[in-house]
Amino acid sequence: DVKVTQSSRYLVKRTGEKVFLECVQDMDHENMFWYRQDPGLGLRLIYFSYDVKMKEKGDIPEGYSVSREKKERFSLILESASTNQTSMYLCASMSEGSMNTEAFFGQGTRLTVV
Amino acid sequence: QKEVEQNSGPLSVPEGAIASLNCTYSDRGSQSFFWYRQYSGKSPELIMFIYSNGDKEDGRFTAQLNKASQYVSLLIRDSQPSDSATYLCAVNIPPYGAQKLVFGQGTRLTINP
Repeated sequence: DVKVTQSSRYLVKRTGEKVFLECVQDMDHENMFWYRQDPGLGLRLIYFSYDVKMKEKGDIPEGYSVSREKKERFSLILESASTNQTSMYLCASMSEGSMNTEAFFGQGTRLTVV
Repeated sequence: QKEVEQNSGPLSVPEGAIASLNCTYSDRGSQSFFWYRQYSGKSPELIMFIYSNGDKEDGRFTAQLNKASQYVSLLIRDSQPSDSATYLCAVNIPPYGAQKLVFGQGTRLTINP
């Protein structure tokens, strides 16, 4: 059974804190993604990675960074958390190849910044 | 222009009718297209993917792709109350070999008994 696991289901952090969201996949996938989901806005791509130590900015990278030191792990970092980063964060992974590939999602982390 | 656009709805359809969901995309280099379903409080789950022009059928679901017009649609026949969910269109845009999976804002569908 394929699995993408996010480290926390719910998280509450204070403004200005450095926050780490962890995502681990066990499918040996090359591609991993971080999205945030807000009502009415769908899934917005923050960062994605197509290989170890390789990363690309998505559509809303401001205020975030990422780390991919190992193939199975992709971390999202909020350098200094702000209230407008309160959201649902979803991690996904996908195999290599542009055709017939499915992205698998983690269970999501609901982050509240107070 | 957004990379992937959907009507946010909400879309309300009577039980047993056909629900039609539409999506447009901006990048002509896009190669594969996906429809995900997301129930409230849950993660998205894949319904169908399509990468060739035309129709692709899977049970009550039909995906339609028109690359010339840059749109992809999803038809749900014999709609059931359990189909009530948010439907997300996703497009795989491959910049220089990487895989960039971009989603639309989702269409909220309600099937009325």
